[in-house]
Amino acid sequence: KAGVTQTPRYLIKTRGQQVTLSCSPISGHRSVSWYQQTPGQGLQFLFEYFSETQRNKGNFPGRFSGRQFSNSRSEMNVSTLELGDSALYLCASSPGTGPSNEQFFGPGTRLTVL
Amino acid sequence: AQSVTQLGSHVSVSEGALVLLRCNYSSSVPPYLFWYVQYPNQGLQLLLKYTTGATLVKGINGFEAEFKKSETSFHLTKPSAHMSDAAEYFCAVSEGSGRRALTFGSGTRLQVQP
Repeated sequence: KAGVTQTPRYLIKTRGQQVTLSCSPISGHRSVSWYQQTPGQGLQFLFEYFSETQRNKGNFPGRFSGRQFSNSRSEMNVSTLELGDSALYLCASSPGTGPSNEQFFGPGTRLTVL
Repeated sequence: AQSVTQLGSHVSVSEGALVLLRCNYSSSVPPYLFWYVQYPNQGLQLLLKYTTGATLVKGINGFEAEFKKSETSFHLTKPSAHMSDAAEYFCAVSEGSGRRALTFGSGTRLQVQP
């Protein structure tokens, strides 16, 4: 099975712009979660989607949003980019919603905001 | 609220020596615990997880961890380090009860000296 894929792998934007990141989960996985990784704050949970519904949301401003499509693919959007949004954004998929289900991570999208 | 503390942001061992990476957690409910490894420019890979049952958990690549409720610890060990073990290791906790979001520790970078 192919793993979790994320596109693009690298992205450079300027302050004030918006960006959309894409995640394709492992075939058959219906749960997708997003995490932000920065040197200062570490790994932080953004949100989780299952069957096109947001199930959980982390402590991030409303500029961060996401959605999930019927084929389980997910996108996250960040509007009005700030320098502090520079980070590695990781997507993880899981076959179910149980808390013990393993989350399989993609390679991430590295976003640089100038 | 749950939290994870990883003691030691950098650990250096000699090849063939014991690896011990420390993780303490706090959780108001019985936790689900995970160890992930991250190689440069890659996503996270699950090493092992504790959900319920046996407190000594064996994972991939010769790693294991023991859940000690009385000490709220979940330390990761490997009897003999290999050069390929050099990476960053993250301990994570999930509270379960429908909340699958992972709370990560700050990570420990493992160096293996020849």
